[in-house]
Amino acid sequence: DQQVKQNSPSLSVQEGRISILNCDYTNSMFDYFLWYKKYPAEGPTFLISISSIKDKNEDGRFTVFLNKSAKHLSLHIVPSQPGDSAVYFCAALTGTASKLTFGTGTRLQVTL
Amino acid sequence: GAVVSQHPSWVICKSGTSVKIECRSLDFQATTMFWYRQFPKQSLMLMATSNEGSKATYEQGVEKDKFLINHASLTLSTLTVTSAHPEDSSFYICSAFGDSSYEQYFGPGTRLTVT
Repeated sequence: DQQVKQNSPSLSVQEGRISILNCDYTNSMFDYFLWYKKYPAEGPTFLISISSIKDKNEDGRFTVFLNKSAKHLSLHIVPSQPGDSAVYFCAALTGTASKLTFGTGTRLQVTL
Repeated sequence: GAVVSQHPSWVICKSGTSVKIECRSLDFQATTMFWYRQFPKQSLMLMATSNEGSKATYEQGVEKDKFLINHASLTLSTLTVTSAHPEDSSFYICSAFGDSSYEQYFGPGTRLTVT
């Protein structure tokens, strides 16, 4: 039972353009969401998060949008840079549990 | 941000042997650490929650007698894969909470190959 889904396994974007990575969830008890970036053979690196009481959080080139009614969140990267090429995981947790539930990941390739 | 280290970064062992992986929080104390495994091109799957001074909590389907977890101090948790088999070959990652109760910091991972 995949409670957090990333339906696009891969995404290719030209440098300078906007990258939009999507994530859907099914568990309405999730109240905090995080995005992680991961390179091969390395641990995930935290990027940005959002609480369920907000619908947007911005940090530099990264913005996360949350649509609670649709149980959907997205990560926008603008402008995209070649160094952004990695696998991006969205993750969710509830306030009463500390366990992260990860999505399946989206591989982003930023081309020159 | 908080730093979590893992040792070794990669290990090759023969089938039937046991392997210990260490996870350390370098600049903060972690009462709770988590162990994940990741198969190629798949998501990170939580294996167990490691609690300092008490028994680990295992996720459904994870054999606690096979994956022994010890969290003896506030900065160290160990995962021992006992009687390893080739199907245990995977990428094992630990994480620990930082200052925020929501942010987890991940170690660099350990690549285990069982031959």
